[in-house]
Amino acid sequence: GAVVSQHPSWVICKSGTSVKIECRSLDFQATTMFWYRQFPKQSLMLMATSNEGSKATYEQGVEKDKFLINHASLTLSTLTVTSAHPEDSSFYICSARDRASGTSTDTQYFGPGTRLTVL
Amino acid sequence: RKEVEQDPGPFNVPEGATVAFNCTYSNSASQSFFWYRQDCRKEPKLLMSVYSSGNEDGRFTAQLNRASQYISLLIRDSKLSDSATYLCVVRGGTGFQKLVFGTGTRLLVSP
Repeated sequence: GAVVSQHPSWVICKSGTSVKIECRSLDFQATTMFWYRQFPKQSLMLMATSNEGSKATYEQGVEKDKFLINHASLTLSTLTVTSAHPEDSSFYICSARDRASGTSTDTQYFGPGTRLTVL
Repeated sequence: RKEVEQDPGPFNVPEGATVAFNCTYSNSASQSFFWYRQDCRKEPKLLMSVYSSGNEDGRFTAQLNRASQYISLLIRDSKLSDSATYLCVVRGGTGFQKLVFGTGTRLLVSP
């Protein structure tokens, strides 16, 4: 099946630093990638939808200047958490929709997630 | 009201038991429904889609009741490896292009 990778799998950083997370589709082209955040014992919450070659669409309450998304190619999207603070500590998961599937979300593949801890 | 609601559990069952999870969704216009499984500290993985007529995949049976806006998952002959969190997911949001996740129901299967 299709594979989505994320890097790094975990990161610990000091408060105030910026952290970049990469999401790659390994064997398919993804015109759309999604970024989710999951706090302990809570559901996955969609942060933003990333479209290749255009600006990301952010969900209500998600600061676009804090969570910078770049989707420069059909296989790579990056999420940068700028000036991270302890409250940003969470599990960040990306997913990618296979370009060949059109607009269907039934073929959405999830990455393994990145656990961010901000000290 | 949350768009997708689930009982968080945990459901503690012995091996071999049958267990059922329920989920309700608020948007009556939602079209696609899924059950995902998430293991601790891992990404969610699609378990099965849920169709109006109900569908079965081995020991797993999913049902959809559109009138009540209710989705269920039945697991028969529980295995230790079934221990996980089961997420009810609905395609929702503006334009119905987004997956909306429930908080999940935790299942613990014991020997």
